[in-house]
Amino acid sequence: AQTVTQSQPEMSVQEAETVTLSCTYDTSESDYYLFWYKQPPSRQMILVIRQEAYKQQNATENRFSVNFQKAAKSFSLKISDSQLGDAAMYFCARRGGSGGSNYKLTFGKGTLLTVNP
Amino acid sequence: DTEVTQTPKHLVMGMTNKKSLKCEQHMGHRAMYWYKQKAKKPPELMFVYSYEKLSINESVPSRFSPECPNSSLLNLHLHALQPEDSALYLCASSRVGTVSYNSPLHFGNGTRLTVT
Repeated sequence: AQTVTQSQPEMSVQEAETVTLSCTYDTSESDYYLFWYKQPPSRQMILVIRQEAYKQQNATENRFSVNFQKAAKSFSLKISDSQLGDAAMYFCARRGGSGGSNYKLTFGKGTLLTVNP
Repeated sequence: DTEVTQTPKHLVMGMTNKKSLKCEQHMGHRAMYWYKQKAKKPPELMFVYSYEKLSINESVPSRFSPECPNSSLLNLHLHALQPEDSALYLCASSRVGTVSYNSPLHFGNGTRLTVT
């Protein structure tokens, strides 16, 4: 099974501090793509960051960065200088690289992040 | 502002009603998706349309009927739903093609459906 596992149902962080959300996945494909989405109470799923599996360099987007360990099938998200607006449910997701699997975005169960002032 | 627009935002319907959810995008995306999301759970894929043709149906009950009238619009027709169908229904779109395999999905704000 092509699964995505987020082992932390809930996390909390103090404003301005750094937090890391964990994600591991299982796949038999050599080509695939990884994403982190956030879903605030407003309900919209917002793309935070993406990583192509063939790229060794870790993706960064402003305060957000990933630690992609392909051999370990690990894809953690680091949020630096946490802000109150970062509070949301965070989903790790994997998308296949070819054929029908490309359309299927497999989500982890999510990590609810609370940011304390 | 979201680039994928869903209407209505909220819908309450009885089990004998017929209603439709609508989704619209103007990003030129040729793949469109319906997801169902229960509270505190990840979204679950229901349907995928690619170039206005149904590509994937994840064994969804026939009381849910998708329709893609053109490349910008996606509908989900609902009939004879059950209370357990109450959920957030999310629409998404993405590019299609070999150069776009890493194209992320762009989601709408969803329709909160309650079946009474």
